[in-house]
Amino acid sequence: RKEVEQDPGPFNVPEGATVAFNCTYSNSASQSFFWYRQDCRKEPKLLMSVYSSGNEDGRFTAQLNRASQYISLLIRDSKLSDSATYLCVVNPPNTNAGKSTFGDGTTLTVKP
Amino acid sequence: NAGVMQNPRHLVRRRGQEARLRCSPMKGHSHVYWYRQLPEEGLKFMVYLQKENIIDESGMPKERFSAEFPKEGPSILRIQQVVRGDSAAYFCASSPIDRGRSGYTFGSGTRLTVV
Repeated sequence: RKEVEQDPGPFNVPEGATVAFNCTYSNSASQSFFWYRQDCRKEPKLLMSVYSSGNEDGRFTAQLNRASQYISLLIRDSKLSDSATYLCVVNPPNTNAGKSTFGDGTTLTVKP
Repeated sequence: NAGVMQNPRHLVRRRGQEARLRCSPMKGHSHVYWYRQLPEEGLKFMVYLQKENIIDESGMPKERFSAEFPKEGPSILRIQQVVRGDSAAYFCASSPIDRGRSGYTFGSGTRLTVV
């Protein structure tokens, strides 16, 4: 089983739609989680951290379910500019050091 | 405050040549991570370094690949005797000592093409 698994998609949605991605992780001791965005094979950029209580940033909401070991990203009112690959990232138990593990990404295309 | 600087942005090498990829972390960051992204694939961890130390190289191929982060100067990822399968984007990321809840900051990457 992969350490971090994502549905690769692609997700093709119209502008204004709401879309959600899930990501599962295998290490129950993992401490911190993130969503990154990658455009056209450019460098990944941090989109948001994922907190246990859930967190929201504008149209984006991230949630963590420790019991089921998954995190989610919800995008409301999709814009054309949201088209990108979204990467789920899991940090090891010792968050002060060590590599982050990236999922393979979920591709989103928002169409007019 | 410059971000993570990688150079060159693009590198073309013939099979059998050596490739050297450089990464200068953000100011104040002492941890460097190298990731590789093959065409149509996800980011795969290669190596994690601190100044003068390799902390985790579990993702490095056993042969031809090496990495260093000297006391002075950038981190170097070196690929000897390159083969076509080495063609990929190589991303470097850096973080401060106590990363806590911080994510990485990535450089723009080096696109290596082996011809």
